[in-house]
Amino acid sequence: AQKVTQAQTEISVVEKEDVTLDCVYETRDTTYYLFWYKQPPSGELVFLIRRNSFDEQNEISGRYSWNFQKSTSSFNFTITASQVVDSAVYFCALSPPGSARQLTFGSGTQLTVLP
Amino acid sequence: DADVTQTPRNRITKTGKRIMLECSQTKGHDRMYWYRQDPGLGLRLIYYSFDVKDINKGEISDGYSVSRQAQAKFSLSLESAIPNQTALYFCATSEVAGEQYFGPGTRLTVT
Repeated sequence: AQKVTQAQTEISVVEKEDVTLDCVYETRDTTYYLFWYKQPPSGELVFLIRRNSFDEQNEISGRYSWNFQKSTSSFNFTITASQVVDSAVYFCALSPPGSARQLTFGSGTQLTVLP
Repeated sequence: DADVTQTPRNRITKTGKRIMLECSQTKGHDRMYWYRQDPGLGLRLIYYSFDVKDINKGEISDGYSVSRQAQAKFSLSLESAIPNQTALYFCATSEVAGEQYFGPGTRLTVT
């Protein structure tokens, strides 16, 4: 069975602060994929990143960065110099290897960035 | 135009009524999915389809049925709606080895 835990239900920061969203996962598979999605107040789900379990290199995209640590089963997401537009619910998700591709989602973290 | 569309976007229905939620995609993906989102629970998979002839139950399929009418269309039905099916429903599509792309969601309220 697969499980994704996002222990931070809500986080509130002031604009320009850095913020890290935690994601811990459980799986018996030796290979898998990890994802982050953003859900802004408008409600749609926006894909942010996919990471193959083979690739443990950290990734940076603009103000976003991701820290994948297979040893601790974590895939944390950091927003640098947060902006009000970053306010959203962020979901971490896990999918099995091969052709299955069903996503198991965490319960999400509501991020509020205050001006 | 959006790549994944859902109709209706909002629906209020009464207990016991049959309701169908529709999803269409122009991405040319073979795989389509239906999820429901409840506050504090994230998204949970209801059904998924790898192609027109391949439909599979997800984590919470009880009370739901689906129909894959074509590669581009995947419908979700509630045969007899009940209040605890009030939720936000998302359709998604993907290639075999790709990330999932989500529709805008349908907010369903069962009174």
